[in-house]
Amino acid sequence: DAGVTQSPTHLIKTRGQQVTLRCSPKSGHDTVSWYQQALGQGPQFIFQYYEEEERQRGNFPDRFSGHQFPNYSSELNVNALLLGDSALYLCASSLGPQETQYFGPGTRLLVL
Amino acid sequence: RKEVEQDPGPFNVPEGATVAFNCTYSNSASQSFFWYRQDCRKEPKLLMSVYSSGNEDGRFTAQLNRASQYISLLIRDSKLSDSATYLCVVKSGSGAGSYQLTFGKGTKLSVIP
Repeated sequence: DAGVTQSPTHLIKTRGQQVTLRCSPKSGHDTVSWYQQALGQGPQFIFQYYEEEERQRGNFPDRFSGHQFPNYSSELNVNALLLGDSALYLCASSLGPQETQYFGPGTRLLVL
Repeated sequence: RKEVEQDPGPFNVPEGATVAFNCTYSNSASQSFFWYRQDCRKEPKLLMSVYSSGNEDGRFTAQLNRASQYISLLIRDSKLSDSATYLCVVKSGSGAGSYQLTFGKGTKLSVIP
């Protein structure tokens, strides 16, 4: 039973560029949440997708956007990258918006 | 005031010791509470849920005091494999059928031989 998978594992970008991160949920899960974890901090909620719609959003600017596909996989897009966007980006899936979330291994993004 | 606050640590304890982590949260409408464990450069993994009646899982005991908005985790007989960062997590709903997890900064535990 495959768990949550994310790609790529690592990424290096420069300021001003755009990035797309991908997440495939655990088998049977239909809800995907995205988190940003800066070094030495706990994960911070970005947004949650369910039924291909953004259901809830944390305190992140519009530069952060997402999408969920009919197969429940999801993408996180970040435009106009800033140095401060360097972080571990975690995807978590659940069997419905209210259920326990299981995390993927994350994508490490470095913005130079 | 931060939404979820934890002891900053780090905690360095010898094998076999008992260690306690504390956490406070600010949103009195929070619905559920958890402790997650995160190993270095890995993703967070659910350690246990926390209930008002207190709950125990082997060497781990979690307690919740809703009146004080306080959560604790006790680890007895520490093992080297317990070395990790422990994240206090609070679940809050938006009222639209969705919810978000709010994490503390985490407390790093190192168990020393």
